[in-house]
Amino acid sequence: QKEVEQNSGPLSVPEGAIASLNCTYSDRGSQSFFWYRQYSGKSPELIMSIYSNGDKEDGRFTAQLNKASQYVSLLIRDSQPSDSATYLCAYTQGSGNTGKLIFGQGTTLQVKP
Amino acid sequence: KAGVTQTPRYLIKTRGQQVTLSCSPISGHRSVSWYQQTPGQGLQFLFEYFSETQRNKGNFPGRFSGRQFSNSRSEMNVSTLELGDSALYLCASSEGDTQYFGPGTRLTVL
Repeated sequence: QKEVEQNSGPLSVPEGAIASLNCTYSDRGSQSFFWYRQYSGKSPELIMSIYSNGDKEDGRFTAQLNKASQYVSLLIRDSQPSDSATYLCAYTQGSGNTGKLIFGQGTTLQVKP
Repeated sequence: KAGVTQTPRYLIKTRGQQVTLSCSPISGHRSVSWYQQTPGQGLQFLFEYFSETQRNKGNFPGRFSGRQFSNSRSEMNVSTLELGDSALYLCASSEGDTQYFGPGTRLTVL
C-alpha cells in the first residue's frame, strides 16, 4: 500500500466549476498536511497547509482534513484555466521528521474554457 | 525575501561520472531538504540537513550524499552516475514544517 494515494486523473472540469481533489494516507502518525501545485516543467508551489480536522479556506481554495478517515481533500472554487496543473498531496510525521515530506503521485487537473 | 535558488539549472553527464548540485535556502531558513522527481516514482525524499547535520535520510543508495555549510547553503553529490539517476532534483528550505521549493536542477545522464 502506498503511503499517499491520489487519483492520477486527469480530472477535467469546465471553467467556473468546483474541482475536488482527494488524497488518502496510511500513516496514522501523520501530523501536517500540504497541497502543492506543480505546472509542467516547474517546481512545486505551496498552496495550502492544514494541521487539524476540519476545513481551512484561503481564497478560492479549501482544504479539508479528516484524520479518523485518513483523508485530505482540496476544493478549488470558480476553477480557471490557469489552475490546470498537477496537484500534489503531501504530509510530514512531525516532531523530528518535519523536513521529510511524503508525496502522493499527484492528480492532473484540466480546466477547460 | 529571495526564494530558494539552485545551480546549475541543467546538467548533462555520462554514466560513471559524478555530479554536485547546489542549493541556497531562503534567508533565515536553517533546514534544507532534497528530493528526486521522476515520472515513474514521483517525488521522493533524499535527505534533510539542519544546522549542518543530516537529520533525516531517505531510501537511496550511498552514492547519494549531501552536506550543509554554516551559512545553510547545501550541496548534494551523486557519484558513479547511472542512467536511472536522470531526474529533476529539487531542494526545499523550511523554517518549521512548511517547505518552499527551488526551481530544481534537471540532470540528464547519457
